[in-house]
Amino acid sequence: AQRVTQPEKLLSVFKGAPVELKCNYSYSGSPELFWYVQYSRQRLQLLLRHISRESIKGFTADLNKGETSFHLKKPFAQEEDSAMYYCALRKNSRLTFGEGTQLTVNP
Amino acid sequence: EPEVTQTPSHQVTQMGQEVILRCVPISNHLYFYWYRQILGQKVEFLVSFYNNEISEKSEIFDDQFSVERPDGSNFTLKIRSTKLEDSAMYFCASTGGNSPLHFGNGTRLTVT
Repeated sequence: AQRVTQPEKLLSVFKGAPVELKCNYSYSGSPELFWYVQYSRQRLQLLLRHISRESIKGFTADLNKGETSFHLKKPFAQEEDSAMYYCALRKNSRLTFGEGTQLTVNP
Repeated sequence: EPEVTQTPSHQVTQMGQEVILRCVPISNHLYFYWYRQILGQKVEFLVSFYNNEISEKSEIFDDQFSVERPDGSNFTLKIRSTKLEDSAMYFCASTGGNSPLHFGNGTRLTVT
């Protein structure tokens, strides 16, 4: 069965500092991975998907099949990046989420 | 940009009562989902729905739960006899297929 692990429940950085939110997965096939973000009291929004290989709001994520990781990175965090971030893996019709990481960017 | 809409935003019900949570997926989407998030826990898959039938369901989705697409626009989740542990945020989502899931704002269900 597929599984997604986000080892950090809370992550706090200062504005302008680099940030990395960790995500590891276990899946026997070819994974389709996503990062979703949830700002305070708002819906889950797609941030990134690994197949598009794009940068959104300065965030990037690289799929590392050898390490089974899909870490989310941003070189210079902004206060408006403070939110809950979820890594997710899709198999067929099911999207499996990690526990989420609450990112706080301090001024 | 089209959005998935959910009503109500907050539902309070007594244990043992039936509740229906409503969702209007994005109009040209074909796949519909319900997820839930118990306070402080992760987002969990409940059920997926395609072509007017359930395509996959989790172990959480027992006989107390049912889904329906009663017309061309609504997608509902019914909990037949609510329990205290059903208190959670319920998210509806839809997709056109290979595109990512689009989520609604959620319905907060409180069972007292």
